[in-house]
Amino acid sequence: AQTVTQSQPEMSVQEAETVTLSCTYDTSESDYYLFWYKQPPSRQMILVIRQEAYKQQNATENRFSVNFQKAAKSFSLKISDSQLGDAAMYFCAYSPSQSTASKLTFGTGTRLQVTL
Amino acid sequence: EAGVAQSPRYKIIEKRQSVAFWCNPISGHATLYWYQQILGQGPKLLIQFQNNGVVDDSQLPKDRFSAERLKGVDSTLKIQPAKLEDSAVYLCASSLDPRGGETQYFGPGTRLLVL
Repeated sequence: AQTVTQSQPEMSVQEAETVTLSCTYDTSESDYYLFWYKQPPSRQMILVIRQEAYKQQNATENRFSVNFQKAAKSFSLKISDSQLGDAAMYFCAYSPSQSTASKLTFGTGTRLQVTL
Repeated sequence: EAGVAQSPRYKIIEKRQSVAFWCNPISGHATLYWYQQILGQGPKLLIQFQNNGVVDDSQLPKDRFSAERLKGVDSTLKIQPAKLEDSAVYLCASSLDPRGGETQYFGPGTRLLVL
């Protein structure tokens, strides 16, 4: 079974600074997807960024980028120029690449605080 | 475009009572998911529907939980009888199709407290 581990329960960053959230996972599959989801206090989960395992290039979405290390099974999220609106729970998630079994396996989350 | 709708937003019941949650996915989304999020944990999939058929219900406690999506659109999740450990947020999500890697869009969730 696949597992996702987030070892940082809480992180803090100053506004405009850069922060990196860590995630490791375990799978025996060679093809899969990895995600970072953001869950603000209102509880609506929002996709931040997605990485396909067979793509070597790290995904980037504006101020958000990932460092995907397939051999090490590591998938960290870097948030540049942090903003107050980035404060939320961040969940790392894994999905197999099969045609029908697309369930997400989540880590336990990292709570990000953004300070002035 | 309207997002995933869920109701009620909050529910408080006593143990052994029954409760039902409702979800209306984004229009045109064939795949619907119910996740359970216990405080301090990440969401865990309970059941996945493709149209009105079940794709994965391996983690659904079938002795007390049931779910249906009769017309392939909205869905209900029922707990009967509820236990204290069922206290959680129940999240509904939908996606265009069931392929791995598809973006799942989440609703605001229903927070259940079992006393």
